Amino acid sequence: DTAVSQTPKYLVTQMGNDKSIKCEQNLGHDTMYWYKQDSKKFLKIMFSYNNKELIINETVPNRFSPKSPDKAHLNLHINSLELGDSAVYFCASSQRWEYNEQFFGPGTRLTVL
Amino acid sequence: GEDVEQSLFLSVREGDSSVINCTYTDSSSTYLYWYKQEPGAGLQLLTYIFSNMDMKQDQRLTVLLNKKDKHLSLRIADTQTGDSAIYFCAESDDSNYQLIWGAGTKLIIKP
Repeated sequence: DTAVSQTPKYLVTQMGNDKSIKCEQNLGHDTMYWYKQDSKKFLKIMFSYNNKELIINETVPNRFSPKSPDKAHLNLHINSLELGDSAVYFCASSQRWEYNEQFFGPGTRLTVL
Repeated sequence: GEDVEQSLFLSVREGDSSVINCTYTDSSSTYLYWYKQEPGAGLQLLTYIFSNMDMKQDQRLTVLLNKKDKHLSLRIADTQTGDSAIYFCAESDDSNYQLIWGAGTKLIIKP
């Protein structure tokens, strides 16, 4: 049983396109996150949702828009993709907002050409 | 602001002990964490330590916390090839429960 799943695993696209990455968790957790990991493996929090409400919105271009249709899903839509958006994007979840044991998805490797 | 620092690489021989070090700045963190990232995979929680503890042992893993020096270490005994991974240190920012991440230490195992 996959706890946190992401689709697609790989995404190759042209500059200027719009793309979405989907995330689902079947752990019954309240809180979900999006992270960006660059080529040097630095991990940066982008967004966090708690019970479908946005609670962390780091300095991320507004081309990135998260959407949480329900507690189990947190999708990431990216408009007008740029070369610098190439990275691995990780979705994660935790039981509650105060709990930092985070469960990560396998990642989506985005390559912008 | 808060910061977590780690060396980027550590190379050890198979069978030796690995010690991965981390320094942090937020002395009010309640918990400190070690996450492991294997190649091509997401991160997984390896272990954590409560801030009022000095040491925590879990099989081959030993976590040492020196609060005075704000220094955290992870010791892996009898390092195996399966331990090859990137190890991330993280502290919790208790004001907003956000994790502050280190840059990760890549553990390289030599035969």
